[in-house]
Amino acid sequence: AAGVIQSPRHLIKEKRETATLKCYPIPRHDTVYWYQQGPGQDPQFLISFYEKMQSDKGSIPDRFSAQQFSDYHSELNMSSLELGDSALYFCASSQPGTGRYEQYFGPGTRLTVT
Amino acid sequence: GNSVTQMEGPVTLSEEAFLTINCTYTATGYPSLFWYVQYPGEGLQLLLKATKADDKGSNKGFEATYRKETTSFHLEKGSVQVSDSAVYFCALSPYNNAGNMLTFGGGTRLMVKP
Repeated sequence: AAGVIQSPRHLIKEKRETATLKCYPIPRHDTVYWYQQGPGQDPQFLISFYEKMQSDKGSIPDRFSAQQFSDYHSELNMSSLELGDSALYFCASSQPGTGRYEQYFGPGTRLTVT
Repeated sequence: GNSVTQMEGPVTLSEEAFLTINCTYTATGYPSLFWYVQYPGEGLQLLLKATKADDKGSNKGFEATYRKETTSFHLEKGSVQVSDSAVYFCALSPYNNAGNMLTFGGGTRLMVKP
């Protein structure tokens, strides 16, 4: 079965640079979520989109922005990167319109800021 | 706000031992509850879910029952295998509708020895 695809899988950036993470949800899933997982920590919710509109916002820094496109894929844009942004970034998708609210996660993008 | 508390790990067991990982939650309304598993270097996989009180989620020999009276969703398995070694996250979603973020517990690392 098709899963959530994230690219790139690994990314190395320097401080103050920008990064763009991409997420391709499971086909027919219309809701996308972004999470950040620091080393040894639980995932923290950043932001979500439903039908291309922002639906919930969590602890996402102002330096980050995200959007969902007409084909339902999503991009997380990160600017003025800081050392503390080094983490695993997960995208998840769901299809709540069918009554199935569980979220399916991608393999993650490991961002390292040096 | 919503919160999830899990027993701290690591939990170290011998193969074929009985597993319990405790999870309690705080939430308003009627959240949906989930267990996710994360193998080393991988993303989070949905293990099981329960969407209302007294529901029992089960998958791959793992079970958890949604106990509203004790606000708990403990994970159990009758006989663990070495391949079950991973980090287990308990999570809740506050409402049964679109676009709701997951709140995770801190994760419990399970190590199963042959």
